[in-house]
Amino acid sequence: NAGVTQTPKFQVLKTGQSMTLQCAQDMNHEYMSWYRQDPGMGLRLIHYSVGAGITDQGEVPNGYNVSRSTTEDFPLRLLSAAPSQTSVYFCASRLLSTGTYEQYFGPGTRLTVT
Amino acid sequence: SQKIEQNSEALNIQEGKTATLTCNYTNYSPAYLQWYRQDPGRGPVFLLLIRENEKEKRKERLKVTFDTTLKQSLFHITASQPADSATYLCALTNSGNTPLVFGKGTRLSVIA
Repeated sequence: NAGVTQTPKFQVLKTGQSMTLQCAQDMNHEYMSWYRQDPGMGLRLIHYSVGAGITDQGEVPNGYNVSRSTTEDFPLRLLSAAPSQTSVYFCASRLLSTGTYEQYFGPGTRLTVT
Repeated sequence: SQKIEQNSEALNIQEGKTATLTCNYTNYSPAYLQWYRQDPGRGPVFLLLIRENEKEKRKERLKVTFDTTLKQSLFHITASQPADSATYLCALTNSGNTPLVFGKGTRLSVIA
């Protein structure tokens, strides 16, 4: 199993540009989520999904869109990048059906918006 | 609003001693509390889960306690080693379907 994969690892954007951060998992996990991590702020939830076709907002959803058309993929779209979106983004997944609740994280995408 | 506090931003201890990290929460009734380890430049890695009806959980040199009356969890690493140096994150959830909410983490440095 590759686990949770994220691409790209690093990205530099100019203000106003749009882009998609990719996240995929091969563990058949129902639950997937996106966090951003900023110094002194910890991990903050952006969006999450409990299954294909179902998404919901987290603590800091503004400026981001998600969709979940398959169990494996959960892309995060930045519609019009702003310097405040400079951060490290982590995708995570977990199995809901067994009740173990252990969450698996990807390696992260470091995004800089200039 | 819900709040999770980890006792300190950074903790330095001598090799061989027991490290104790604290996680306090308010305005929350979590069913599950988890601890994760994060190394620089990497994603968090799951260490331990403890349920609200469990007082203590152990895994090798790690021990976690959960006091729902005090709204506190303690995370202990016994016989600490320099390789234990990392940031440790506390996380809470009500159920399997609800998101994990994380504390800001404590950066542990074990000095040889």
